[in-house]
Amino acid sequence: DGGITQSPKYLFRKEGQNVTLSCEQNLNHDAMYWYRQDPGQGLRLIYYSQIVNDFQKGDIAEGYSVSREKKESFPLTVTSAQKNPTAFYLCATSGVAGAGELFFGEGSRLTVL
Amino acid sequence: SQQGEEDPQALSIQEGENATMNCSYKTSINNLQWYRQNSGRGLVHLILIRSNEREKHSGRLRVTLDTSKKSSSLLITASRAADTASYFCATVTQGGSEKLVFGKGTKLTVNP
Repeated sequence: DGGITQSPKYLFRKEGQNVTLSCEQNLNHDAMYWYRQDPGQGLRLIYYSQIVNDFQKGDIAEGYSVSREKKESFPLTVTSAQKNPTAFYLCATSGVAGAGELFFGEGSRLTVL
Repeated sequence: SQQGEEDPQALSIQEGENATMNCSYKTSINNLQWYRQNSGRGLVHLILIRSNEREKHSGRLRVTLDTSKKSSSLLITASRAADTASYFCATVTQGGSEKLVFGKGTKLTVNP
């Protein structure tokens, strides 16, 4: 199957714990993105990467970290420094960095207990 | 930083009717895109319109772009219950960083 796989789909975390969300793609796209979505809201950009071993902060990067060691993978770590981490997290890719259409995974819903 | 703002926030219509959603933005753009999101799922790209285009069609979808008014509209004709979803516009700012900025979306409900 071609596409983007996010895991886990649902995740529960205790306060003070770090958690890592996985995003894997086999579309051979260079650009990858992480967005956060809160109920009734649009998407806000957390981090993005246009090439392996390079990434940039988005609009709400505080409390999050990423790595891009392989073209296929762009994991997102939600750290204990993120004050309000309960949200729906979406990973996306693009074959044309910035200007082209985005392809999205099915999302990961994180709930902090 | 929100660039696009969709209007209305929610829309409820009967099957067979047309649905029109609007998007306004603040700064000059390279292109504008529309996406659809079913509840609890990822977004799906619908259509991309470039700043030098005025209208685009894809099946039952029609998108217009008016750069002088900094606005776009998405028309879904002959709507079906399966069109029930949230619809988002997203813009790539001209001369800005290469990232897509999304609006808050219009929640469309099509009643059978």
